[in-house]
Amino acid sequence: GQQVMQIPQYQHVQEGEDFTTYCNSSTTLSNIQWYKQRPGGHPVFLIQLVKSGEVKKQKRLTFQFGEAKKNSSLHITATQTTDVGTYFCAGPNQGGSEKLVFGKGTKLTVNP
Amino acid sequence: DAGVTQSPTHLIKTRGQQVTLRCSPKSGHDTVSWYQQALGQGPQFIFQYYEEEERQRGNFPDRFSGHQFPNYSSELNVNALLLGDSALYLCASRRQGAVWNSPLHFGNGTRLTVT
Repeated sequence: GQQVMQIPQYQHVQEGEDFTTYCNSSTTLSNIQWYKQRPGGHPVFLIQLVKSGEVKKQKRLTFQFGEAKKNSSLHITATQTTDVGTYFCAGPNQGGSEKLVFGKGTKLTVNP
Repeated sequence: DAGVTQSPTHLIKTRGQQVTLRCSPKSGHDTVSWYQQALGQGPQFIFQYYEEEERQRGNFPDRFSGHQFPNYSSELNVNALLLGDSALYLCASRRQGAVWNSPLHFGNGTRLTVT
């Protein structure tokens, strides 16, 4: 079945350093979504990318969707302690399914 | 405007028992999906309800069943609980009229512990 893989699984950074997480799908995706889950919380939608090669920015966060629509990345510039949490990418199952397939996530910790 | 609400927040059950979890979608939302999130893992799709019917199902056994009511709220039932069913159960809703791949709004989840 379709798989969505994320690396790294964990990332520890000093406050002010940059952070990047990578997401790869075993199949071509119609779109990719990113969610953030704070410790003890629930996933919160960050962004959706639809077009091949699309790049979107939200303040210090930059999201990219690969040309082949099989990979994506999230880059955070100058991390802050408020960025702590687990970042998940998710793509719809094949064939227009409403089922979202999530990666295992990248857990980010930021040392002040 | 209340978001997605789930109850209870925490639950402890014994192996073999049955459990019912409840979800009220965000106002204006009519589609409810249930996800299971084991510790250290991403959410896994259980099933989705729309117009009171199960529309799609993930790779979960028949012990997992659900229901959607006319007011769009939903229940997840799990029978014959196993230790491996211990997880955070998340309910997610989507707004009426949204395209099929629009973002999900998650509730805070129910933490189920099976002993």
